[in-house]
Amino acid sequence: GAVVSQHPSRVICKSGTSVKIECRSLDFQATTMFWYRQFPKKSLMLMATSNEGSKATYEQGVEKDKFLINHASLTLSTLTVTSAHPEDSSFYICSARGVEGAGNIQYFGAGTRLSVL
Amino acid sequence: AQRVTQPEKLLSVFKGAPVELKCNYSYSGSPELFWYVQYSRQRLQLLLRHISRESIKGFTADLNKGETSFHLKKPFAQEEDSAMYYCALLTGGFKTIFGAGTRLFVKA
Repeated sequence: GAVVSQHPSRVICKSGTSVKIECRSLDFQATTMFWYRQFPKKSLMLMATSNEGSKATYEQGVEKDKFLINHASLTLSTLTVTSAHPEDSSFYICSARGVEGAGNIQYFGAGTRLSVL
Repeated sequence: AQRVTQPEKLLSVFKGAPVELKCNYSYSGSPELFWYVQYSRQRLQLLLRHISRESIKGFTADLNKGETSFHLKKPFAQEEDSAMYYCALLTGGFKTIFGAGTRLFVKA
């Protein structure tokens, strides 16, 4: 099956710094990528949807300036948590969907555990 | 409103017993539904989707539009089925909405 690589798997940073998380589709072109946040024992919360070459669409309540998303190519999307604070500590998961007609299946990265001190 | 409801947070069954994970959805359009699974220490992955009408690892799910349900079933649970299961709805805007998830625990 299709593989989505997410890096880093874990990051610890100081409050006020920025952290970049990368999401790559390794063997398929991802027209759409999604970024989720997962709180302990909770479901996935969609943060934003990004299409290659266009601005991301953010869900209500998600700060665009706080969570910068770039989808520069059909195989790479990045999420930058700017000026991170302890409340941003969470598990972030990216997902990619292939070109239309590929079954609308989403393939998930392994996630990134962010801890802000 | 677009919504996916999984009423059970935890489901515990004995090995060999039948299992049913419930999923109800709310959507005005034509739904496309999926079940995703997350095994311990692994990433979320697709288990099955309703349009395929297939059985994966012994699991099946039938879309019931009248009851707006997409329950996941398996006649004989195995220990390796223990995992977190998410029901998901793909909307017309190509946004996937996930249910809260059900943790299945199969006891020996």
